[in-house]
Amino acid sequence: DIQMTQSPSTLSASVGDRVTITCRASQSISSWLAWYQQKPGKAPNLLIYMASSLESGVPSRFSGSGSGTEFTLTISSLQPDDFATYYCQQYNSYSWTFGQGTKVEIK
Amino acid sequence: QVQLQESGPGLVKPSETLSLTCTVSGYSISSGYYWGWIRQSPEKGLEWIGSIYRSGDTYYNPSLKSRVTISVDTSKNQFSLRLSSVTAADTAVYYCARGNWILPPLQPPRADFDYWGQGTLVTVSS
Repeated sequence: DIQMTQSPSTLSASVGDRVTITCRASQSISSWLAWYQQKPGKAPNLLIYMASSLESGVPSRFSGSGSGTEFTLTISSLQPDDFATYYCQQYNSYSWTFGQGTKVEIK
Repeated sequence: QVQLQESGPGLVKPSETLSLTCTVSGYSISSGYYWGWIRQSPEKGLEWIGSIYRSGDTYYNPSLKSRVTISVDTSKNQFSLRLSSVTAADTAVYYCARGNWILPPLQPPRADFDYWGQGTLVTVSS
């Protein structure tokens, strides 16, 4: 099984900050990587697919990059609505796994 | 607007079978996409359980495969999850979701979940 490791686990930031979250795969997954945002009591919401493609309706301050084993999610200017937990998700050989999450909290 | 809604018992006894149904509105399952079940617990985080296509083709998490059955009823626009021999470790919020699973040479390739139900908490306890 491919393991996904996110860092940091928790991130404290202020409105307007540039925020970067990292996700590492235990083996190469090419670009089969998605990012989700989840708020308390809600289902995850798809932000990015195929490592860098912005899902329709998602603000352009969100961007993704990377390939192989290392990926990043960047929020260019953190907004009040962005305080949430973020998860990466990989696909490989008919199986999907998620990272453990990164909580973005108010500094 | 695509909407998914989970339904089923919120409490299941140990060793029994957990059964959930996902009702889809705003999109016909017969038209395509994959349809999946994902659960979330504090201990294991988000865990993909399995996915099904309109044809009935299924794909399961290897760690759960021996206990999982996912089925689809296109006439009711529903798909269902059965998880047998449950233990306390199966206590989680269970989500159903629509899966985008497009492999090359089809374009654009992707493998993610774009619409989710609100989730339903299932507790395994006697």
